[in-house]
Amino acid sequence: SYELTQPPSVSVSPGQTANITCSGDKLGDKYACWYQQKPGQSPVLLLYQDTKRPSGIPERFSGSNSGSTATLTISGTQAMDEADYYCQAWDSSTVVFGGGTKLTVL
Amino acid sequence: EVQLLESGGGLVQPGGSLRVSCAVSGFTFTSYAMSWVRQAPGKGLEWISAISGSGGSTHYADSVKGRFTISRDNSKNTLSLQMNSLRAEDTAVYHCAKDRSIAPSRTSAFDVWGQGAMVTVSS
Repeated sequence: SYELTQPPSVSVSPGQTANITCSGDKLGDKYACWYQQKPGQSPVLLLYQDTKRPSGIPERFSGSNSGSTATLTISGTQAMDEADYYCQAWDSSTVVFGGGTKLTVL
Repeated sequence: EVQLLESGGGLVQPGGSLRVSCAVSGFTFTSYAMSWVRQAPGKGLEWISAISGSGGSTHYADSVKGRFTISRDNSKNTLSLQMNSLRAEDTAVYHCAKDRSIAPSRTSAFDVWGQGAMVTVSS
């Protein structure tokens, strides 16, 4: 079965840029999307079709997807961005989530 | 306002059955695929099932195939998940999620989520 691999944790200083990666076989041939989940809350869609932001999502969230890696980039990271982040793609008629990355802002 | 409200969670013994439902409002239900995504305590997200807007197409994760059945009642704006032969590893919060697409596909992305229903499988 298809797998998406994320680093378990990423740390970033406030105001800096955070990059969270998601790796999978030929992921660049698929669409990747990204979710943010804060403790005790439901996930929120940040990006879909690699780079598109739903309304209400700040411009500091951006994405790319090429080769085997999709990347979520958070520019000017804020304390409120501390959360778990999940990538997701579609493969063989199933939805696949990455294992999640805990972003720490310190 | 778009809303998804799950119900039907609870405690069930191993081998038992449970049905969780999701009442939706605020959008044209038939125009969007829907999915169930679960999250075990302290763990990540796991997609388990999807259904097209018409209900004519369904998809399942291997972990639940043959045990769980997804369905929708488009006249009542309700999504359901019938869970049979439950195991301890099925213990999780079960979220219903609205897809941006009318059918599960490579463009699937979940733009609205319910708060979730807790299902505990234990003797």
